[in-house]
Amino acid sequence: SQQGEEDPQALSIQEGENATMNCSYKTSINNLQWYRQNSGRGLVHLILIRSNEREKHSGRLRVTLDTSKKSSSLLITASRAADTASYFCATGSIQGAQKLVFGQGTRLTINP
Amino acid sequence: EPEVTQTPSHQVTQMGQEVILRCVPISNHLYFYWYRQILGQKVEFLVSFYNNEISEKSEIFDDQFSVERPDGSNFTLKIRSTKLEDSAMYFCASSDRTGRYGYTFGSGTRLTVV
Repeated sequence: SQQGEEDPQALSIQEGENATMNCSYKTSINNLQWYRQNSGRGLVHLILIRSNEREKHSGRLRVTLDTSKKSSSLLITASRAADTASYFCATGSIQGAQKLVFGQGTRLTINP
Repeated sequence: EPEVTQTPSHQVTQMGQEVILRCVPISNHLYFYWYRQILGQKVEFLVSFYNNEISEKSEIFDDQFSVERPDGSNFTLKIRSTKLEDSAMYFCASSDRTGRYGYTFGSGTRLTVV
């Protein structure tokens, strides 16, 4: 798989359920970020986790990072219809000015 | 909350024409970026810009592309002679010195080359 590959590619769940999306990467990273994109819109930064961190929380979001497995997961708890969007992980390899390498994304649909 | 502003939101141009996409990054950010997303595909890095010069560019960013920060607020991407395959959503982003809060992306310019 390429750097920053998410799975599943698509996920459909009922409102109120938890949604888990996974991301795998290949090379060493400085940080891993998750972004949300509503259809046809811009990217919204959700959360950043550094390579020396294992877990991070922000509201209903929980991100884990396992550098030994080169993988990360994003958990959205108590999902809402408004969470329907595409979610991308992106890896950064150095501090400061750095390019982000994005995955293909997971299309999340929350059914009311 | 501070925003990155991009104009226009949608531009249609004929093949071979020059286009300039404009961005106003967040005022106290120091790093600026352009990314693009071809419909249905992943977001791809084009170029990063710091201290008035390009710090990194991808293979996509060939001689047809250029970036400029003509004044203290605007950041532009120019495509000299557009091709059909340049049709994509172009995103501008900026980040602070540390990058610890991630990037702030603009809402994008949809470029359609006909």
